[in-house]
Amino acid sequence: RKEVEQDPGPFNVPEGATVAFNCTYSNSASQSFFWYRQDCRKEPKLLMSVYSSGNEDGRFTAQLNRASQYISLLIRDSKLSDSATYLCVFRGGFGNEKLTFGTGTRLTIIP
Amino acid sequence: DTGVSQDPRHKITKRGQNVTFRCDPISEHNRLYWYRQTLGQGPEFLTYFQNEAQLEKSRLLSDRFSAERPKGSFSTLEIQRTEQGDSAMYLCASSARTGTGENTEAFFGQGTRLTVV
Repeated sequence: RKEVEQDPGPFNVPEGATVAFNCTYSNSASQSFFWYRQDCRKEPKLLMSVYSSGNEDGRFTAQLNRASQYISLLIRDSKLSDSATYLCVFRGGFGNEKLTFGTGTRLTIIP
Repeated sequence: DTGVSQDPRHKITKRGQNVTFRCDPISEHNRLYWYRQTLGQGPEFLTYFQNEAQLEKSRLLSDRFSAERPKGSFSTLEIQRTEQGDSAMYLCASSARTGTGENTEAFFGQGTRLTVV
């Protein structure tokens, strides 16, 4: 089983729609969870951390389900500027603290 | 600019040559990571350091790859006897670990794009 499984898309979504991504992980000892955004030919940048109780930042909502070992990202009222690749990222616990990335989900918002 | 800095931004080399990349992390970040990324894929872990100690190296990494962080500040990644399959974007990232053990986000440099011809 892969360490991280992420639907590569592409997702083509009309402007204003809601879109959701899921990402599953195999290492139950993972302690920290993140969503990163990567624009074409640019470096990844943090979009938001994912907390156990779920968290929201404007139009973006992140959820963590430890029992089923997945995280999710919900984007409401999507904007053209949301077009990018979204990468899920996991960090293990003490002694295994590398960051493991998913393959990324390509999102295109259509006017 | 106080972000992560990588040099060079682009490198074209002939197959069989050695190349070395440099990464300057954000000041006082004790963790430094190296990743490789090819088109359509997520960043693939290569190795990471805590201060000057190399804590983990990917099993996917052949003996042609070596990384150092001699003084716990900047790091270098060397690829010996380059192959066409080494062509990729090489990304460096750094992060801090707080006194309470909390893990903070990783910040990436703009990467070094390697083309082996």
